[in-house]
Amino acid sequence: GAGVSQSPSNKVTEKGKDVELRCDPISGHTALYWYRQSLGQGLEFLIYFQGNSAPDKSGLPSDRFSAERTGGSVSTLTIQRTQQEDSAVYLCASSGGLAGNNEQFFGPGTRLTVL
Amino acid sequence: SQQGEEDPQALSIQEGENATMNCSYKTSINNLQWYRQNSGRGLVHLILIRSNEREKHSGRLRVTLDTSKKSSSLLITASRAADTASYFCATDARTNAGKSTFGDGTTLTVKP
Repeated sequence: GAGVSQSPSNKVTEKGKDVELRCDPISGHTALYWYRQSLGQGLEFLIYFQGNSAPDKSGLPSDRFSAERTGGSVSTLTIQRTQQEDSAVYLCASSGGLAGNNEQFFGPGTRLTVL
Repeated sequence: SQQGEEDPQALSIQEGENATMNCSYKTSINNLQWYRQNSGRGLVHLILIRSNEREKHSGRLRVTLDTSKKSSSLLITASRAADTASYFCATDARTNAGKSTFGDGTTLTVKP
């Protein structure tokens, strides 16, 4: 079956513009995660959706960042008024959300460059 | 505080040698996972070890878990140039099950 897909694969934008990044998780997966990874660094947790529960937004770095997950499937990460420090690879992952086995399946990421 | 901190940060070995990477964490966990990442893109799941397990094998991979020391190790035996990648551990904390926390990773270079 299809894996996690993300679009666009690359996005170049100007400082101050808004961007939307999309994630299509594996069908049936109840959990969806967004991470940010700067060059040569580890994964920075941004937000976590699990079923119909309220999302865990504890990793969002500022109120310019928001995410939603419509119909328990596709998710959109929105960054408003982008800054140069927002440049990074944004990774999405989904998992079956099973207790004790939350193996995450990652998409290829969106490389965001803010000029 | 950061869960899942790997060491060393970078490791360079010759093909055929074994590579050992370590991961330390701070809180009680349900399970710990190791992932591999090539070229700064998506991660691939390698192996999951539960808190009640001490050792697990998968092909050339061997993972150990010591919950008393809050540490895990990943051993890759008979390394190949194709094993060159970054390796991350991720912990699923008891207090927030389902949400894994990743460390900064170990960059492994295997020289042919």
